[in-house]
Amino acid sequence: EDKVVQSPLSLVVHEGDTVTLNCSYEVTNFRSLLWYKQEKKAPTFLFMLTSSGIEKKSGRLSSILDKKELFSILNITATQTGDSAVYLCAVEASGTYKYIFGTGTRLKVLA
Amino acid sequence: GAGVSQSPRYKVAKRGQDVALRCDPISGHVSLFWYQQALGQGPEFLTYFQNEAQLDKSGLPSDRFFAERPEGSVSTLKIQRTQQEDSAVYLCASSLALSYGYTFGSGTRLTVV
Repeated sequence: EDKVVQSPLSLVVHEGDTVTLNCSYEVTNFRSLLWYKQEKKAPTFLFMLTSSGIEKKSGRLSSILDKKELFSILNITATQTGDSAVYLCAVEASGTYKYIFGTGTRLKVLA
Repeated sequence: GAGVSQSPRYKVAKRGQDVALRCDPISGHVSLFWYQQALGQGPEFLTYFQNEAQLDKSGLPSDRFFAERPEGSVSTLKIQRTQQEDSAVYLCASSLALSYGYTFGSGTRLTVV
């Protein structure tokens, strides 16, 4: 059965800290892995990763995929209170259109 | 519109009541998806449309759930005889095409009392 596991489930840090969020997966015929940020209700897209070892960056956020070890990490440097959210990881299998989501990591950044 | 629009934002239903949730996708987006997100969980797939065709409804939890997209744009998710376990946020997403990534709407929070 396809599944996505995220860790930690929750995390509390102080502004300026660096955090690393983990996502491991088991899926038949992997196609892509996506990271979303969910603050209120609508998940907003962060990254789509398809190739191993190629880092995607957007400001203070970066992500990388390891298709051999079946995991991805999302790094946030110099965290700010506005980074407080649930970060969702999702995987798409080739030949399907469904995303399989993990339960998310709830990040709280304290001022 | 600029984004995926869902209505209502919040819905409180008495157990046994029927509800209808609306999704207005981004104009021109062929693919439309419904997901259910229970409290503290990630979204779970319900159903998928390509234009007006419902190509996959394998995620619908029971025959009380029904979705349609008759003209290939607006979609409605209907839940008949709501139960407490139906309480969740229902997210709609649309995509220009498969593998383009989704844009999610803000969801409808359904509470069944």
